[in-house]
Amino acid sequence: TQLLEQSPQFLSIQEGENLTVYCNSSSVFSSLQWYRQEPGEGPVLLVTVVTGGEVKKLKRLTFQFGDARKDSSLHITAAQPGDTGLYLCAGEMNTGNQFYFGTGTSLTVIP
Amino acid sequence: NAGVTQTPKFQVLKTGQSMTLQCAQDMNHEYMSWYRQDPGMGLRLIHYSVGAGITDQGEVPNGYNVSRSTTEDFPLRLLSAAPSQTSVYFCASTRTGNYGYTFGSGTRLTVV
Repeated sequence: TQLLEQSPQFLSIQEGENLTVYCNSSSVFSSLQWYRQEPGEGPVLLVTVVTGGEVKKLKRLTFQFGDARKDSSLHITAAQPGDTGLYLCAGEMNTGNQFYFGTGTSLTVIP
Repeated sequence: NAGVTQTPKFQVLKTGQSMTLQCAQDMNHEYMSWYRQDPGMGLRLIHYSVGAGITDQGEVPNGYNVSRSTTEDFPLRLLSAAPSQTSVYFCASTRTGNYGYTFGSGTRLTVV
């Protein structure tokens, strides 16, 4: 059983649609990060959230950290084909810079 | 800057063979980690290090050894390869604070 569960596992949408990816756990995290990974490459950091209830925006991407710091969401507005990739959340426990990754959400945006 | 460099990019091993996956970073990061990535399971932490001379186990350490003799290098050793170790392995590094990990481009390992 993984510490962080992501849903949905797969998502295929049309260009211009909105979507939300969820990252859930029963554990409390000191911080949470979102990464995007393209085929054949390592994950690349998108954002870090550290405060319960925190909301961060990166252009068309909105990230939220749950009040209890056990869950997070990623919302993409007006998805574009360039958003296609594997989205991973990662939670830090005990401020030791050890991050435990979620199961991943594979997003395909169809032109 | 090269960032995090992993070698080799691809490797095929026979069951029972041993090998070392190399990882080097040139950013003077204190923290380094090894992950394996399998379909539907995201990345799972194998071992990590918070500085030279200090290592610890992650979620799935069995069958793997690590050492950290310098800040730059963090090799991962497979002692006796098994088919269950077929995976893509990523090395990553970061520094103190919420900076996120910098990942290498991965090693795709197949054990037959």
